Amino acid sequence: GAGVSQSPRYKVAKRGQDVALRCDPISGHVSLFWYQQALGQGPEFLTYFQNEAQLDKSGLPSDRFFAERPEGSVSTLKIQRTQQEDSAVYLCASSLEPTGLGEQYFGPGTRLTVT
Amino acid sequence: GENVEQHPSTLSVQEGDSAVIKCTYSDSASNYFPWYKQELGKRPQLIIDIRSNVGEKKDQRIAVTLNKTAKHFSLHITETQPEDSAVYFCAARGGFNAGKSTFGDGTTLTVKP
Repeated sequence: GAGVSQSPRYKVAKRGQDVALRCDPISGHVSLFWYQQALGQGPEFLTYFQNEAQLDKSGLPSDRFFAERPEGSVSTLKIQRTQQEDSAVYLCASSLEPTGLGEQYFGPGTRLTVT
Repeated sequence: GENVEQHPSTLSVQEGDSAVIKCTYSDSASNYFPWYKQELGKRPQLIIDIRSNVGEKKDQRIAVTLNKTAKHFSLHITETQPEDSAVYFCAARGGFNAGKSTFGDGTTLTVKP
């Protein structure tokens, strides 16, 4: 079956540009997570949705970062006025369990490079 | 918030030897501890997980142990093979912020044939 997909896989943005990253979770998965993974480090939590409700956005590094999941399926992570420190791989994961516990299935990630 | 420390950062073993990776966590409310394997340029994949009501879990060559009192958990890989070479991440999740996973910084495991 189809796993978690993300698009684009690679994105190059000039400093100051806005970007939008898309995540298509596994069909029927209630929970959706966004992570930021810098080179050589572990994923850092950004935000978590249960269906369309954003239950935790404590990991978003600044108000330039915004995530939404309006119909409880596809999610978009938007970064406004990108900065060089935003360069990273952005990972999306989904889970069948609504509690946030249980196995998370990761997408392939979007590699964002800000020049 | 939760803090997860992982050791060692790099580990090199001979094929057939065992490998052990250790993690400590700070939030006693955390109750779910997954381990992920990430190959270069690929997505993290869950290899084993343990919940706080269990002390040990085994799946073929892979086992995880959890000591809730000491707040540490370990990954054990026996009879290592070259295809086990990858970066391994531990994570802790649960408590008040159940959806928030905190990851360790990773261990690069190299298995020499």
